[in-house]
Amino acid sequence: GQSLEQPSEVTAVEGAIVQINCTYQTSGFYGLSWYQQHDGGAPTFLSYNALDGLEETGRFSSFLSRSDSYGYLLLQELQMKDSASYFCAAESATNKLIFGTGTLLAVQP
Amino acid sequence: DTGVSQDPRHKITKRGQNVTFRCDPISEHNRLYWYRQTLGQGPEFLTYFQNEAQLEKSRLLSDRFSAERPKGSFSTLEIQRTEQGDSAMYLCASSKGLAGEQYFGPGTRLTVT
Repeated sequence: GQSLEQPSEVTAVEGAIVQINCTYQTSGFYGLSWYQQHDGGAPTFLSYNALDGLEETGRFSSFLSRSDSYGYLLLQELQMKDSASYFCAAESATNKLIFGTGTLLAVQP
Repeated sequence: DTGVSQDPRHKITKRGQNVTFRCDPISEHNRLYWYRQTLGQGPEFLTYFQNEAQLEKSRLLSDRFSAERPKGSFSTLEIQRTEQGDSAMYLCASSKGLAGEQYFGPGTRLTVT
């Protein structure tokens, strides 16, 4: 089967750094994506890792370790607007995305 | 670039009726995906197209669901004989080459009464 596990909720304060972990079990794994979804909105693409290592895009970074079937999303200098759900998604060998159940991030002042 | 659009944004229907949703992807995006999302869950893959070819359909999808993408542009998703369990947000996404980088439309919220 295919599954991705993430923590259900994370709470952090404004200006802090938070890491959201994702472990996956998929067949024919190609890469790991991260999406942000605000309440009532559509998912928006954040990052994609096909190779092991860290990818940095502004305040957000994403990491992948294929040998450990593990990745994480790192959010720095947290802002109130970062309060949202974050989903990891694994790309299968057939080029479809399998999404995790999501992590609800609450940023407090 | 106007983004992915979906129509309608909301649909209320009675059990047993058929419904059809439309998705217009970002122009020049060759891949188009359909997902279903319920409260507190991640998007669930339904099917996807590369150009006009439907390449994969979820095994969880019953025969009541069908999708088309004529001419490789817009796509339609039809649900026949709707059931209350079909109530969900139906999301469409498109991508250009890289399946991991998808751009989502605003979704169609279906309520079956």
